[in-house]
Amino acid sequence: SQQGEEDPQALSIQEGENATMNCSYKTSINNLQWYRQNSGRGLVHLILIRSNEREKHSGRLRVTLDTSKKSSSLLITASRAADTASYFCATDARSSNTGKLIFGQGTTLQVKP
Amino acid sequence: EAGVAQSPRYKIIEKRQSVAFWCNPISGHATLYWYQQILGQGPKLLIQFQNNGVVDDSQLPKDRFSAERLKGVDSTLKIQPAKLEDSAVYLCASSPGAGQVYDNEQFFGPGTRLTVL
Repeated sequence: SQQGEEDPQALSIQEGENATMNCSYKTSINNLQWYRQNSGRGLVHLILIRSNEREKHSGRLRVTLDTSKKSSSLLITASRAADTASYFCATDARSSNTGKLIFGQGTTLQVKP
Repeated sequence: EAGVAQSPRYKIIEKRQSVAFWCNPISGHATLYWYQQILGQGPKLLIQFQNNGVVDDSQLPKDRFSAERLKGVDSTLKIQPAKLEDSAVYLCASSPGAGQVYDNEQFFGPGTRLTVL
């Protein structure tokens, strides 16, 4: 079952613009993670935010977490053509003690040069 | 540090045939995961190993899929017999640990793209 749902499903922007992707989930979590997947490749871990954190930064990435709304957002600032990829959120449910991640359907981002 | 290795990268088989995928995780990683990713969807966990023991296989179709992790290192995932709906990318991932003790960031291999005709 997919716990995370990303919004929008697809996003197309110009280079230099900011891209915002949202993720909603259903159950209480230990942490939420964002991954990137380039076409035909494996997933690459971008950032992890714990349930007691509200915001986290890594380079041009900014992630927020609102546990009261069960939602997270990923902001990519000053986007580049190389940011073109699919982005997935994944949740580690508090009910699980195995570290199992449940991935959403993903947002496909296209950055036009 | 070498990443997660998978082979083969591509496989095309007829339905009802058998196929096996191999994964070598990052050295020292205790936890290994196999995911199925159907086109346009997110990865779905099939099975999770902690060392050589199965932690979660609740979504593994056990009538046709099997997996093992001998000696707690390499792993193989087998499908026998394959169905058309098994066409997907099979991803292997590993992490140093799992569960509430660890931040379970996962490192993924490039995947094996399976086409069942």
